[in-house]
Amino acid sequence: DAGVIQSPRHEVTEMGQEVTLRCKPISGHNSLFWYRQTMMRGLELLIYFNNNVPIDDSGMPEDRFSAKMPNASFSTLKIQPSEPRDSAVYFCASSPGPRSPLHFGNGTRLTVT
Amino acid sequence: QKEVEQNSGPLSVPEGAIASLNCTYSDRVSQSFFWYRQYSGKSPELIMSIYSNGDKEDGRFTAQLNKASQYVSLLIRDSQPSDSATYLCAVNDAGKSTFGDGTTLTVKP
Repeated sequence: DAGVIQSPRHEVTEMGQEVTLRCKPISGHNSLFWYRQTMMRGLELLIYFNNNVPIDDSGMPEDRFSAKMPNASFSTLKIQPSEPRDSAVYFCASSPGPRSPLHFGNGTRLTVT
Repeated sequence: QKEVEQNSGPLSVPEGAIASLNCTYSDRVSQSFFWYRQYSGKSPELIMSIYSNGDKEDGRFTAQLNKASQYVSLLIRDSQPSDSATYLCAVNDAGKSTFGDGTTLTVKP
């Protein structure tokens, strides 16, 4: 299995631009998670989906952030407009069940200048 | 109070020693508990999972869980320089994992 696949690995953009991060979960995993990691705040859960349905988006910082999961094999996290404080590493993870551990992708390092 | 708290680091141990990492959590209904290792610039990877009170051993790693005290720990025996990383404690409730801030371990040769 290829594991969780995220793209791009690095993204550098200017403030105000739209950023789209992509994720392909492990086949057969029915839960998908988006986390953000910074030195100051650690690893924060932004949103998670179960069977393609958003279950908890309480971690999404504000309306500039949105996430979709149109099918079982693809999810996007969009930031529009981006701000310098959004600079972080964004991880996508998937899991086969509610008591199972997470399998993380390699992350997307986002830099907003 | 944070939902998941880990002992503040960094933690430094000599090669061959035992490293002890601790974690407390606030949500009593938490069901599953995980330890992840994260090397600098890499993604977290699972090293141990534990679901019931007591000890669980896997090679040089032992996880301990005490639900009454809301406490989970990780012991690393015969520490190696390759164990130098940040260790993240995660507490899972109904599929949602909350992470501690991590403890950075350095094993000195």
